[in-house]
Amino acid sequence: DGGITQSPKYLFRKEGQNVTLSCEQNLNHDAMYWYRQDPGQGLRLIYYSQIVNDFQKGDIAEGYSVSREKKESFPLTVTSAQKNPTAFYLCASRPNGGNEQFFGPGTRLTVL
Amino acid sequence: GDSVTQMEGPVTLSEEAFLTINCTYTATGYPSLFWYVQYPGEGLQLLLKATKADDKGSNKGFEATYRKETTSFHLEKGSVQVSDSAVYFCALSDRMGYGGSQGNLIFGKGTKLSVKP
Repeated sequence: DGGITQSPKYLFRKEGQNVTLSCEQNLNHDAMYWYRQDPGQGLRLIYYSQIVNDFQKGDIAEGYSVSREKKESFPLTVTSAQKNPTAFYLCASRPNGGNEQFFGPGTRLTVL
Repeated sequence: GDSVTQMEGPVTLSEEAFLTINCTYTATGYPSLFWYVQYPGEGLQLLLKATKADDKGSNKGFEATYRKETTSFHLEKGSVQVSDSAVYFCALSDRMGYGGSQGNLIFGKGTKLSVKP
């Protein structure tokens, strides 16, 4: 089945620890995105990548880092510098030549 | 910059009622417009889209028409069901390659719909 997978679905970490969220797609899409969702808020763009080995900061990149070593994978690291990391994180990809995005099921991160 | 404004919720309706969720946008280019739906604890699913003025997107009984003159893309459904209970997001995307856009999406804050039997 083609699609976007995120793991794990729920993640708990202690304050001060870095944590990496996984995002994988087998849709052959070049572009991938990471969003953060807080209760009652829309989605805010953290980082995006239009092609392998290239990525750009979104609106709220501080305290986050990414890599794009493979087309299929776009992991997000939430660092200890992120002041309020507890949130729902969504990964998406966009078809080549298209403008809609397709989303994974999300990872809910809770920092204790 | 570009932005999307949608009506605040929550919206509570009885089953078989008519649904309208308002969405207006501000954009400098020629955006494509989208409605996404999010069920509890899940990611977003693309519900429908329209890529140019006067286009009507439709899916699963939902419709929205791209109105350039009023910069609107209101979501409608003639008869809602309990299973339609979810959060609905309106979004826009600059057309790829226009003005150096990256094809990023800009979302409204979402409207929570609850449908009661």
